[in-house]
Amino acid sequence: GEDVEQSLFLSVREGDSSVINCTYTDSSSTYLYWYKQEPGAGLQLLTYIFSNMDMKQDQRLTVLLNKKDKHLSLRIADTQTGDSAIYFCAESMESGGYQKVTFGTGTKLQVIP
Amino acid sequence: EPEVTQTPSHQVTQMGQEVILRCVPISNHLYFYWYRQILGQKVEFLVSFYNNEISEKSEIFDDQFSVERPDGSNFTLKIRSTKLEDSAMYFCASSGPGHYEQYFGPGTRLTVT
Repeated sequence: GEDVEQSLFLSVREGDSSVINCTYTDSSSTYLYWYKQEPGAGLQLLTYIFSNMDMKQDQRLTVLLNKKDKHLSLRIADTQTGDSAIYFCAESMESGGYQKVTFGTGTKLQVIP
Repeated sequence: EPEVTQTPSHQVTQMGQEVILRCVPISNHLYFYWYRQILGQKVEFLVSFYNNEISEKSEIFDDQFSVERPDGSNFTLKIRSTKLEDSAMYFCASSGPGHYEQYFGPGTRLTVT
């Protein structure tokens, strides 16, 4: 079955770049996502990348996809204290006309002022 | 910006009781989902729903669970006889015709005592 793995914790200083890594097992993934979850809140879709792309940039966020190694990363430039949250990597594959999403364990990002 | 809403935000119930969790998906979306997240664990897929029927369900979604779209706007998850292990955050999500972006609600925290 599908499996998505992430490191559990990352600590960075304010202003530095953060890189959150993720590996996945299913080579038939269609889309790969990054979701952000702030304490007590829901899941906010930050960005996604189609599986035939290798990079996507959106303001301070850069997503890199290495399909050969099944490795996805999220780089946050100029990390701010408001970026402190849990970041979930997720993959989806087409299943019966919709995208079935499998989430990773989440990486807790702590930004030190 | 349209968003998925869920009520209540927190529900406390006694073991064996029935609960209904409510969601209002984004209005032009066609695909609806329920996920759950046990404290400190992964977000897990429960069920997807399209065209008034279940498209897919996970092993977690046993006979105690049911979903319904009782009218044109609400999407509900019913747990018939709650168990302690049903305590979790339950997220509703919906996706539109392109169905690759799933938008999540803020979640309902269910506590079974």
